[in-house]
Amino acid sequence: GESVGLHLPTLSVQEGDNSIINCAYSNSASDYFIWYKQESGKGPQFIIDIRSNMDKRQGQRVTVLLNKTVKHLSLQIAATQPGDSAVYFCAELIQGAQKLVFGQGTRLTINP
Amino acid sequence: GAGVSQTPSNKVTEKGKYVELRCDPISGHTALYWYRQSLGQGPEFLIYFQGTGAADDSGLPNDRFFAVRPEGSVSTLKIQRTERGDSAVYLCASSRSGGGSQYFGPGTRLTVL
Repeated sequence: GESVGLHLPTLSVQEGDNSIINCAYSNSASDYFIWYKQESGKGPQFIIDIRSNMDKRQGQRVTVLLNKTVKHLSLQIAATQPGDSAVYFCAELIQGAQKLVFGQGTRLTINP
Repeated sequence: GAGVSQTPSNKVTEKGKYVELRCDPISGHTALYWYRQSLGQGPEFLIYFQGTGAADDSGLPNDRFFAVRPEGSVSTLKIQRTERGDSAVYLCASSRSGGGSQYFGPGTRLTVL
């Protein structure tokens, strides 16, 4: 079936380095994508979103890239901090529906 | 704060019992969603409300699950005859209108013994 998945389940980076979290999606009809951060015991926290008519969007220390040709989404976090340690999910909104489809997530660990 | 709130934060019940989980969305948000998250997995969609009506309930696993939003604000997810497999974190989200960014609450951790 349709699914959103992540290439790597875990990622460790040194504090201060940049990190890139990848995501592959399979539904070509999806037109809206969101990255969420989830810390232990908390609900997913909205980070940044992008619509399918864009290929890049920047926020504060974060950038999302969308490659519709290969159905790939990435989240770049600049100058990682200990507080960035969490599980990151990408999610797609199925066009015509309102439900988000989530991948399994990538656990990002920031090493001091 | 003005975020989505959920109560209780934790609920432990016995197999066969009935439970209700409550969600208070962000004020002014017309769209409300319920998701379920199992350990190590991403959230899975259950049901979506636009106003008072359930616009999409395709994610409800069976007829033991039911949700209401009678006044278009607070929503209650109801689970009858709970089973051990219902144990999960139940997340609620809201958005200003359907199709926009969804903001999640902290979730209710349900444990069925």
